Amino acid sequence: DTGVSQDPRHKITKRGQNVTFRCDPISEHNRLYWYRQTLGQGPEFLTYFQNEAQLEKSRLLSDRFSAERPKGSFSTLEIQRTEQGDSAMYLCASSWTDRNYGYTFGSGTRLTVV
Amino acid sequence: GESVGLHLPTLSVQEGDNSIINCAYSNSASDYFIWYKQESGKGPQFIIDIRSNMDKRQGQRVTVLLNKTVKHLSLQIAATQPGDSAVYFCAEIANQAGTALIFGKGTTLSVSS
Repeated sequence: DTGVSQDPRHKITKRGQNVTFRCDPISEHNRLYWYRQTLGQGPEFLTYFQNEAQLEKSRLLSDRFSAERPKGSFSTLEIQRTEQGDSAMYLCASSWTDRNYGYTFGSGTRLTVV
Repeated sequence: GESVGLHLPTLSVQEGDNSIINCAYSNSASDYFIWYKQESGKGPQFIIDIRSNMDKRQGQRVTVLLNKTVKHLSLQIAATQPGDSAVYFCAEIANQAGTALIFGKGTTLSVSS
């Protein structure tokens, strides 16, 4: 297992377009998290899944954002009608059921909205 | 979270010196803490963690100290190397407040040769 994988690494899109990112967690981990990080700031929590179930969503997650984890393995994060303010690094992390262990991040997807 | 004035946004040290990075956390109910290192263009990389029932934990060249009385966490890096240059974040989880890691303000460590 090579850790948490995210694809693509970079995405440039025009304002108003939809984008989708993918995250493949560590295979033994049943919890998957999405975070957003803007320049100079720490990551901010967006949402998390335990297996297929989306159990928690931040108020940062507007209606234009949707996340899925259909089979309890990989997850996708879609942003509809992108805005310039969506430009950020989108990070995925995964952990064991005992959330206090193995909280590992991927390398992120850098989104630039032009 | 609140700052008790211990956080420095940047820290510059000479190679071989010891570095101490401080963090003030926000929630007295937090029971698990992690230090992450983040290099430019990369995701946060786990360095060391500590549970609230401990006040010190050591790893390879790193030590984390936890003072629950003043809600303060510190990361000590021994014999700092140029490869240690990065942004360092502390993060906390509150047992009763969901599973999300809450990140503190980062400290940019610059190591000169």
